[in-house]
Amino acid sequence: ESVLTQSPGTLSLSPGERATLTCRASQSVSGSYIAWYQQQPGQAPRLLIYGASSRATGIPDRFSGSGSGTDFTLTISRLEPEDFAVYYCHQYGGSPRTFGQGTKVEIK
Amino acid sequence: EMQLLESGGDLVQPGESLRLSCAASGFTFSGYAMSWVRQAPGKGLEWVSAMTDNGRSTYYADSVKGRFTISRDNSKNTLYLQMNSLRAEDTATYYCVKGSSGSRPYYFDNWGQGTLVTVSS
Repeated sequence: ESVLTQSPGTLSLSPGERATLTCRASQSVSGSYIAWYQQQPGQAPRLLIYGASSRATGIPDRFSGSGSGTDFTLTISRLEPEDFAVYYCHQYGGSPRTFGQGTKVEIK
Repeated sequence: EMQLLESGGDLVQPGESLRLSCAASGFTFSGYAMSWVRQAPGKGLEWVSAMTDNGRSTYYADSVKGRFTISRDNSKNTLYLQMNSLRAEDTATYYCVKGSSGSRPYYFDNWGQGTLVTVSS
């Protein structure tokens, strides 16, 4: 089972700042099958990124993903008020599919 | 507009059973793999079970294997999760999730709003 470790656990930033979230896999993720989801309080997760770097439909271009192998990154170039939320990475190339424990981006 | 509407969540006692349903609309249900993902209160996401588009293949997390059964009725555009021998640690919001294709590999491109299952005496 591929364990995903996200860091940091909490990121305290101000609107307009850049956010960098990392996701490290315990084994190489085949095909760069990594997705990122955003979850607002009391809501279902929403797909942001798939295939490590492809933005989902309707996702603003301030969100970008990168990485390969075992190290992946989600970057939010300039935080908007609606971006403060919890973010999860997800690997869907191995069995079983797994999620990271989440990174909370909070307002500083 | 694509929609996934879960139902069936309830408060049950340990050892009891429950069946969750997910009514899908706005897309060709029979063309996509479907999954259940759960989230315990205040915790992260945990994949529970998945089924391919044609229903021929099923997959389960070790934590529910032998107790939960996933199924689908493509004629009714509905996904199910039969949960038996429920435990306190099964307490969570259960999300019905659409896969990006009919079989692996696929990511989750749409999520329902979830239904809460509470297992407590």
